[in-house]
Amino acid sequence: GDSVTQMEGPVTLSEEAFLTINCTYTATGYPSLFWYVQYPGEGLQLLLKATKADDKGSNKGFEATYRKETTSFHLEKGSVQVSDSAVYFCALPPSASGSRLTFGEGTQLTVNP
Amino acid sequence: DVKVTQSSRYLVKRTGEKVFLECVQDMDHENMFWYRQDPGLGLRLIYFSYDVKMKEKGDIPEGYSVSREKKERFSLILESASTNQTSMYLCASSITGASAYEQYFGPGTRLTVT
Repeated sequence: GDSVTQMEGPVTLSEEAFLTINCTYTATGYPSLFWYVQYPGEGLQLLLKATKADDKGSNKGFEATYRKETTSFHLEKGSVQVSDSAVYFCALPPSASGSRLTFGEGTQLTVNP
Repeated sequence: DVKVTQSSRYLVKRTGEKVFLECVQDMDHENMFWYRQDPGLGLRLIYFSYDVKMKEKGDIPEGYSVSREKKERFSLILESASTNQTSMYLCASSITGASAYEQYFGPGTRLTVT
């Protein structure tokens, strides 16, 4: 079945460090891929998405490239800020029809000043 | 802006109590979802609904039921709360169609069952 695997956390970085959070998936075909972010005390919100292979999604300085060869969608940011401290979730829709998403386990990021 | 609201941010209930968690969305979305979030387990889908009075089981429906009498409101019911249902509960909604996979989440309800 469809699944998403994220790198284990938590991840702790200093401000202005480079961030990578790995995400790989197993699915039939080439689904859209998503990154959601959950700031402390809040629900999840969509951070970025890519709808086809080789697409790059970007938002708030974060980027992720849909790589079908490696079935990956790694999240990157060149210079993190304290305000980026949050939990990040990779997600994909079902191979068959439907509206539900499969989420990864989430990666807790803490950025220290 | 899409808004999804949940009736309580924090809730403390006793074992055996019947618990209602309410979720309301204001964007006329067809789909609504209930998840629970636990450390190390990520988000797990409990139930979802794609239309009024329609519901489908998610991955962990045992011990829960849902109700959707109006399009904007989706309720999660714990018939007899147990301590293993202590968790963060998140509600979400989405449209049907090309953007169906973009879900909008409420702030969550942290439920403690003692």
